[in-house]
Amino acid sequence: NAGVMQNPRHLVRRRGQEARLRCSPMKGHSHVYWYRQLPEEGLKFMVYLQKENIIDESGMPKERFSAEFPKEGPSILRIQQVVRGDSAAYFCASSPDLLQLSGNTIYFGEGSWLTVV
Amino acid sequence: AQTVTQSQPEMSVQEAETVTLSCTYDTSESDYYLFWYKQPPSRQMILVIRQEAYKQQNATENRFSVNFQKAAKSFSLKISDSQLGDAAMYFCACGTSGTYKYIFGTGTRLKVLA
Repeated sequence: NAGVMQNPRHLVRRRGQEARLRCSPMKGHSHVYWYRQLPEEGLKFMVYLQKENIIDESGMPKERFSAEFPKEGPSILRIQQVVRGDSAAYFCASSPDLLQLSGNTIYFGEGSWLTVV
Repeated sequence: AQTVTQSQPEMSVQEAETVTLSCTYDTSESDYYLFWYKQPPSRQMILVIRQEAYKQQNATENRFSVNFQKAAKSFSLKISDSQLGDAAMYFCACGTSGTYKYIFGTGTRLKVLA
C-alpha cells in the first residue's frame, strides 16, 4: 500500500481557511476513494472517484467539501472554510478497474492529518 | 445497512504470548469480505488479513489468523507469539463484494508488554 501517495502528511489551517489534500493512486489503479477518520473513531467512507468522474459522494458532507480526480494529476479533496470539527485524518485509497481482481481490497495511503486551529 | 462492532477498546498481551481481538458484524449481503487493518503510531493503515465470506477455511498470514464464524457473524483476529511491533490500533472492516465502501469498527488498541 506504500504506492498510494498522499500529501501533505500534516496540515494546519486556521478556521475559515481552505485545505487541499492530494492523492496519487498506485500505479495501474484508476479508482480513488477518500475516507475520514475522526479522533478515536474508525474510518468512514466519503467519496469514490474515477478519472474525471465522481461515482459516489454519498459520504461527503453537503457543504464545504468537494473532490476531483482530473484527467492529469492527483485526486484532490478540498475543504473550504474549515472548522475545528474538520480536524481529522483523511485517507486516500485506490484499486484497479475491477475490485474483484484485487480480492475486493483497496489500498490505503499513509493519510493526511488536518488540524484546524 | 452494515455494522461492525469491536467491543474491546483496549487489550494487553505479554510479549511472545497469544491474544485474540474480537469483532462482530451485521450485513444482509451474501457475498462480502472481512478485513483486519493495523494502524501503528505512524497512523498508516496496513492490511493484516482478509477473509472471503464464501470460504469456510479461516485465513492465515504468518502469526496472524482469524476465527471466522459466519452464522454467528463473528470475525476474531488471533495474534500468536506477540511482538513489540504488534502494538497498534486494530480495525475490523466489512465490505460487500464488488464495492468500495468498507464499514469500519471503532478499533481495539493493543498494548504489548515486554
